Amino acid sequence: GAGVSQSPSNKVTEKGKDVELRCDPISGHTALYWYRQSLGQGLEFLIYFQGNSAPDKSGLPSDRFSAERTGGSVSTLTIQRTQQEDSAVYLCASSPRQDSYGYTFGSGTRLTVV
Amino acid sequence: DAKTTQPPSMDCAEGRAANLPCNHSTISGNEYVYWYRQIHSQGPQYIIHGLKNNETNEMASLIITEDRKSSTLILPHATLRDTAVYYCIVRSPNSGNTPLVFGKGTRLSVIA
Repeated sequence: GAGVSQSPSNKVTEKGKDVELRCDPISGHTALYWYRQSLGQGLEFLIYFQGNSAPDKSGLPSDRFSAERTGGSVSTLTIQRTQQEDSAVYLCASSPRQDSYGYTFGSGTRLTVV
Repeated sequence: DAKTTQPPSMDCAEGRAANLPCNHSTISGNEYVYWYRQIHSQGPQYIIHGLKNNETNEMASLIITEDRKSSTLILPHATLRDTAVYYCIVRSPNSGNTPLVFGKGTRLSVIA
């Protein structure tokens, strides 16, 4: 597609439930990144995938968070047993190469845990 | 990647030039200066980048001091749509696909 697509755009879930957030990167982009942004805060790196290499999970805040990328394309971020502090906008970006100006972000998924 | 320092907020009158400063006194020789912006409720958007020469594109101009310890992003005729948080990031092109690290940026408010 023309851009990075994320779904759903909004998600309200009850505390303790699991959620899945989806990211469709730009076709041909080998790198995919997940960030989150809490209200009024900066962007916090979570995880990134580069081609077929093992993902860099160094930013995941707890073992309740996991992500996978199937076939080098679509990625799913899963949060298990959601907590209220997980409420944030989850942003996905992809890039075709090493240069940082290749980053394209999606519009994000706004997650609210009630 | 070198650390950057930006003012937390700035105002600019519509139609005037917006000059956003960034200090990066510990920048090393092969590190570039990148600017992104994030409009409310959207993901960050790439604006411009440079090494040591001034750069201009359809969105903005980037002025880098001769010692490269600071830079200024210039929006020549700011509009209300330019209201956003602007991030200055210093990064080596050899960083591979390691993720960009965003600081707190400068919140620019363009006022009618």
